[in-house]
Amino acid sequence: NAGVTQTPKFQVLKTGQSMTLQCAQDMNHNSMYWYRQDPGMGLRLIYYSASEGTTDKGEVPNGYNVSRLNKREFSLRLESAAPSQTSVYFCASWAAEQFFGPGTRLTVL
Amino acid sequence: GQQVMQIPQYQHVQEGEDFTTYCNSSTTLSNIQWYKQRPGGHPVFLIQLVKSGEVKKQKRLTFQFGEAKKNSSLHITATQTTDVGTYFCAVHTPNDYKLSFGAGTTVTVRA
Repeated sequence: NAGVTQTPKFQVLKTGQSMTLQCAQDMNHNSMYWYRQDPGMGLRLIYYSASEGTTDKGEVPNGYNVSRLNKREFSLRLESAAPSQTSVYFCASWAAEQFFGPGTRLTVL
Repeated sequence: GQQVMQIPQYQHVQEGEDFTTYCNSSTTLSNIQWYKQRPGGHPVFLIQLVKSGEVKKQKRLTFQFGEAKKNSSLHITATQTTDVGTYFCAVHTPNDYKLSFGAGTTVTVRA
């Protein structure tokens, strides 16, 4: 039982490049989330998926897209990376409490 | 979603001392959760409070939900170096699938 897994752990991009952050959970949870964490800003919700087949915008969705591929997997895509998207990205799933993945540390140059 | 304010933002504590961090809301909360994030790590669930005036303890950590359900506190006694990290409170609105997190209190410990 791995919980919530994320790939990659680290990534460096150049401005304008695209990439997809992968997330998977093996706890059979319906709801999944993507957050970004910046110093002093806490956890800000980017997108979430309340159940398979649905996705909704969170607090800071601009510049991101998501796909709920199936119940297990929820991916986050940056179509054209910008330096302002340099952050730590956490995926989480939820059943009474939130379970977080280990995070992806993304730097955009 | 509901908003919560956490104070203080930073807490520098001498090892062995006690400290308290607070989470405040202008509206009545249905419940509140607390999470801990170690440096370089990810947030980990600590506890959920639901009832007015509820107090729960986990070893040296005491969590309290206010009588009016508008605030909560986390009190740590005899702080140890293992308490280093950022503590977040989070609130969930019924029928909403989102948690709203406070900005966190980052705790450092002087040995």
